[in-house]
Amino acid sequence: DARVTQTPRHKVTEMGQEVTMRCQPILGHNTVFWYRQTMMQGLELLAYFRNRAPLDDSGMPKDRFSAEMPDATLATLKIQPSEPRDSAVYFCASGLSREGGYTFGSGTRLTVV
Amino acid sequence: SQKIEQNSEALNIQEGKTATLTCNYTNYSPAYLQWYRQDPGRGPVFLLLIRENEKEKRKERLKVTFDTTLKQSLFHITASQPADSATYLCALDLRGGKLIFGQGTELSVKP
Repeated sequence: DARVTQTPRHKVTEMGQEVTMRCQPILGHNTVFWYRQTMMQGLELLAYFRNRAPLDDSGMPKDRFSAEMPDATLATLKIQPSEPRDSAVYFCASGLSREGGYTFGSGTRLTVV
Repeated sequence: SQKIEQNSEALNIQEGKTATLTCNYTNYSPAYLQWYRQDPGRGPVFLLLIRENEKEKRKERLKVTFDTTLKQSLFHITASQPADSATYLCALDLRGGKLIFGQGTELSVKP
């Protein structure tokens, strides 16, 4: 089965450090989402892309977060500088058409100490 | 303000019964509504999608209804099994493609 690959699976970093999370969408999928999940807030939409173009990143703290798709096989989410409140599981999801739903990766569990 | 609300309390049912989960929303006009299942430590998995002009959709033991007047979707699992125990998330697929999730409802099916 095709899958969305996220790396790293786990990341522990110190406050103030830069964090980069990577996502390899399923080949041929043209829509990519980034979400953050915490117990308190649930799944929050951070940003999404269609055909590599950013459509909406209003859910992201712009001063520290950035999302890009340098090519169709890679999406990145960067946090600089990281803060303890950024600790969460970050998910990437991809899809081709809305009718087929979206496929999520296994997530990156980020802990900022 | 815009809200998506799912049953906040966990739902506990007996094996073989029908589980019914609710998703209500305010101040959104979704083009579609999707349901996902999430197991602990894993990403959500897509289950079903229903369009705004559809009233009901079925897939095996799953049934989804969508009432755009009430702004509500119901998700049913018939003949529930312990393997159905998980968190179920509804997601509003807005015009333009933005996908917004509810907080989820935890379902526990006891043998």
